[in-house]
Formats: sequence, structure tokens, C-alpha cells
Amino acid sequence: EDQVTQSPEALRLQEGESSSLNCSYTVSGLRGLFWYRQDPGKGPEFLFTLYSAGEEKEKERLKATLTKKESFLHITAPKPEDSATYLCAVHWGYQKVTFGIGTKLQVIP
Amino acid sequence: EAQVTQNPRYLITVTGKKLTVTCSQNMNHEYMSWYRQDPGLGLRQIYYSMNVEVTDKGDVPEGYKVSRKEKRNFPLILESPSPNQTSLYFCASSLSGGYYEQYFGPGTRLTVT
Repeated sequence: EDQVTQSPEALRLQEGESSSLNCSYTVSGLRGLFWYRQDPGKGPEFLFTLYSAGEEKEKERLKATLTKKESFLHITAPKPEDSATYLCAVHWGYQKVTFGIGTKLQVIP
Repeated sequence: EAQVTQNPRYLITVTGKKLTVTCSQNMNHEYMSWYRQDPGLGLRQIYYSMNVEVTDKGDVPEGYKVSRKEKRNFPLILESPSPNQTSLYFCASSLSGGYYEQYFGPGTRLTVT
């Protein structure tokens, strides 16, 4: 069964405490893996696209990596404004998109 | 400003009363898609469209209809809404499917009583 699984479902960090979020996928014909950030009551906002195993992308305190079966979103020295739900989405097959349930991140000052 | 707009933002209706949620984008994107977001289930794709007059089912199309007569608009139609369609709905667009990121609208919170 084609699916996308994110872990953990929720994560609470102290400000400055680095960690990683995981997205594992089992789909056929991967076109790209996308990370989005979603704030409460708003639509998801694009963060990164990864297309092939070994690829890495960075933006401020965030770094995304991709292997053949999973992706990691590393958060270095997070700040309270990084609190949000982080969504992983896989584009696969003929234009299909499957999202993970997300990881709700809370960064405590 | 490049954006995806949805209307209405909030809607409370009754079972069986037909409704339409509009979606419009001003980025000349080819690909548009509708999602519903439910607690514990995440975002699930309802329908998507590769271009004008080209639409296809996502993972949860039952009870929904779409049309793509113009490139910029992609309305979602619920011909006979039921309480299990109570959800938060998002419209999204991208330059083209597959390899490009999606831009999401602000969401429509629908309640069917």
C-alpha cells in the first residue's frame, strides 16, 4: 500500500535543542518529496523539494535530506517561532500527491 | 501578489443543500488540486486537474465534483453534502504537477449539520 508516515506525531523542544523529524514513504514512481510548514488555521507553506537520494537542502535553521525510503527534516537550535506543524508530501505516479499526517513541533522559550 | 484565493472561508449548511466552494489562482499555474484536512488523517487529495478540461480523482473523491473550464479557476462542488463532509478544505496550485511545489489557499471550514 502506498503511504507516507511521519514521526513523531508531536515534539516538544527547548529553545536551542536540535532534533530531527522523519518522513518515510512507500510509493511507486517518486517524482519528488516536499516539506511544508503549516501554522494553525492557515494553509501549508512550501519549505523544500527533494528529488533524488542523497540530495540535501538548507534554509536558515532547517535542513532536509532524502534517502531511498525516507526523508529527515533537521532543526538546528530552534526558536519559538519555529513552532508549527511540519508536513511531508510525496508526489508520485501520475500526478498523485500523498501527505503524511504531520509532526506538531512546539519550541519552548 | 501571487496567491490562491478561496471563498467562502467559513460555511455552515444543512444536509443535502448543494454548495460550491470557489478557488482561483493568479499565477498561470497548470496544476490545481483540492484537499480536505481532518484531525488524525492529515491532508487527503480529493481531485486534481492537470489543465483546462483535464481532471482526475484523488484518494477521496466520493461525494465531490470539480470542473476546470478556465485555467485560473477550479471550483469544488458538493451536490448533496452530508455530515461526514464536515472538514477543512484547501485548494492548491502549482506550475505543473509532480515536480513543483504547491501554493495553498487559506482554507474553507465547512460544517454540514
